[in-house]
Amino acid sequence: DVKVTQSSRYLVKRTGEKVFLECVQDMDHENMFWYRQDPGLGLRLIYFSYDVKMKEKGDIPEGYSVSREKKERFSLILESASTNQTSMYLCASSSLGRWYEQYFGPGTRLTVT
Amino acid sequence: DQQVKQNSPSLSVQEGRISILNCDYTNSMFDYFLWYKKYPAEGPTFLISISSIKDKNEDGRFTVFLNKSAKHLSLHIVPSQPGDSAVYFCAASAFNAGNNRKLIWGLGTSLAVNP
Repeated sequence: DVKVTQSSRYLVKRTGEKVFLECVQDMDHENMFWYRQDPGLGLRLIYFSYDVKMKEKGDIPEGYSVSREKKERFSLILESASTNQTSMYLCASSSLGRWYEQYFGPGTRLTVT
Repeated sequence: DQQVKQNSPSLSVQEGRISILNCDYTNSMFDYFLWYKKYPAEGPTFLISISSIKDKNEDGRFTVFLNKSAKHLSLHIVPSQPGDSAVYFCAASAFNAGNNRKLIWGLGTSLAVNP
């Protein structure tokens, strides 16, 4: 059974803290994605990666960075968390050939106070 | 400015009947359309796709219809089952400024199938 796992289901951080969200997939997928989901705004792409050490900005990269040192792992970093980064964060992966068939993790609900 | 719109936030149908979920889009350059399903406390799950060169794709109880002239697609579920109760997202594939593909998502329609 294919799997995308995220390091935490719930996370509470303080304003200004550095936050790491980890995502691991076991499907040997080339593509990995980070989204955030907010009421009334839907899923918005933050960053994606189509290969190890490669990254591309999505629609809302400001305030975020990413790291992909190994094929199976894609990390989202909030350099200095702010309250407007309180959201549901979803990681996904897909193969090169069927890039649109994205497999999602369960999500991390991040609250920044 | 939403390029992919799901105008019905919710839909309720009886078990055994047909569920029809609708999606409208504005960009004629979209080349793939997808439907995803999401249960509470889980990430979205890919359901079915359709290429812009086709007008219908069927997979078991699920059929997606594409009307390019109307810029409209719909997902039909026949017969509907209580386990189909979930939020359904419509998404479309486009190229971004860097010539990479990305998905543009609708806001979702919450389907309730009543026994």
